[in-house]
Parts: sequence; structure tokens; C-alpha cells
Amino acid sequence: EDQVTQSPEALRLQEGESSSLNCSYTVSGLRGLFWYRQDPGKGPEFLFTLYSAGEEKEKERLKATLTKKESFLHITAPKPEDSATYLCAVQAGGSQGNLIFGKGTKLSVKP
Amino acid sequence: DAGVTQSPTHLIKTRGQQVTLRCSPKSGHDTVSWYQQALGQGPQFIFQYYEEEERQRGNFPDRFSGHQFPNYSSELNVNALLLGDSALYLCASSPRTHATNEKLFFGSGTQLSVL
Repeated sequence: EDQVTQSPEALRLQEGESSSLNCSYTVSGLRGLFWYRQDPGKGPEFLFTLYSAGEEKEKERLKATLTKKESFLHITAPKPEDSATYLCAVQAGGSQGNLIFGKGTKLSVKP
Repeated sequence: DAGVTQSPTHLIKTRGQQVTLRCSPKSGHDTVSWYQQALGQGPQFIFQYYEEEERQRGNFPDRFSGHQFPNYSSELNVNALLLGDSALYLCASSPRTHATNEKLFFGSGTQLSVL
């Protein structure tokens, strides 16, 4: 069964304190791994897509990496505005587009 | 350029009632997917519509049905509401011409409460 597990469930950081979020996945034929950001009361906002092991993508203070079993979202010198829930999702090889999401990591960055 | 728009934003229903949620996709997108997000959980795929037909369905009962109109907008209908149907219902759109669903654009959702 295709599955996505994110850890930790919640993470509290001080402004400037770098850290990483983990996404472990089990999927039959990975077509893509996606990272989304979700603010309270809003829909998920696309951040990155990764397709193959070894791939990395960066956007401002965020950097996503991918291995054959997991993905990491590295946050460098976070700011309070980075506070949100970060969702990881995978698209399986046999699917026609639907995403399987993890439960997310709720990140709080204190000034 | 308007993104994905959903209506209503909030809805309160009682058990056994029926509900219809609406979604207009982002301009240029012709594929619409619906997701259910319970509190503290990630979104769960309900179904996907393209060319006015249901193309793929997740593990949801037949009480959940949908429709896509010629202008690509979509409706989600839920019959015989249960307390467990309380959730944020998200609509996402994408251009079918893409090989994958990269950059799924989500609306802000409809918060459904079943009492």
C-alpha cells in the first residue's frame, strides 16, 4: 500500500535556528514527490516537485532533497513568516494524477 | 488571474442532509480534483474530473458524487451526511497537458460541519 509518513508532527524553532523536516514514503513506482505549504484556513500552496533520487531544489530559505526512501525539507535561518504546516505528497506510478499526502509537520518559528 | 475559487467557504448541515460544494478551476486548467482534509490530517483524494467524466476515484463511498460542467467548473455532492464527513473540502485544478500533476493549484476550501 502506498504510504507517506512525516516527522516530526510539530516543530518549534527560534528565529534563525535551522532544522529539517522528514518525509518517508512507500510507493509503487514514484512519479513525483511534492512539498506543499498550508497556512491555517487556506489550501495547500505548491513548493517543490522532485522526481528522482539525488535531486535537490531550493527556494529562498527552503531546500528539498530526495532519496529512494525519503525526502527532507531543510529550512535555513527560518523567520516567523515560515510558520505553517508543511505537507509532503507522492504520486504513484499507476495513478493518473492523484496525490497521497502525509499528515504534515506543523512548524512554529518564534521571534 | 483568478486562482481556484470555491463556494461556500463555510457550511453547517445536520446528519442525513445533502450538500453541494462548488469549484471554479484556475484559468487555463481543465482538470479538477477534490480532496477531503480532516482536522490534523493530510488531504485525501476523493475523485478527479476531466472532459466532464470521473477519471479516477479514491476510497470514498458512493454517497460522494461529482459533476464537471462544459466550462470545467465542478460540483461535489455528498448525500446522507454523517458526523465523520465534517472536514475541509479542497478543490484542486491542473492543466491536463502536463505529464504529471505538477503544480496542483488548490482553492481555500469549504469547511463543512455536520451536527
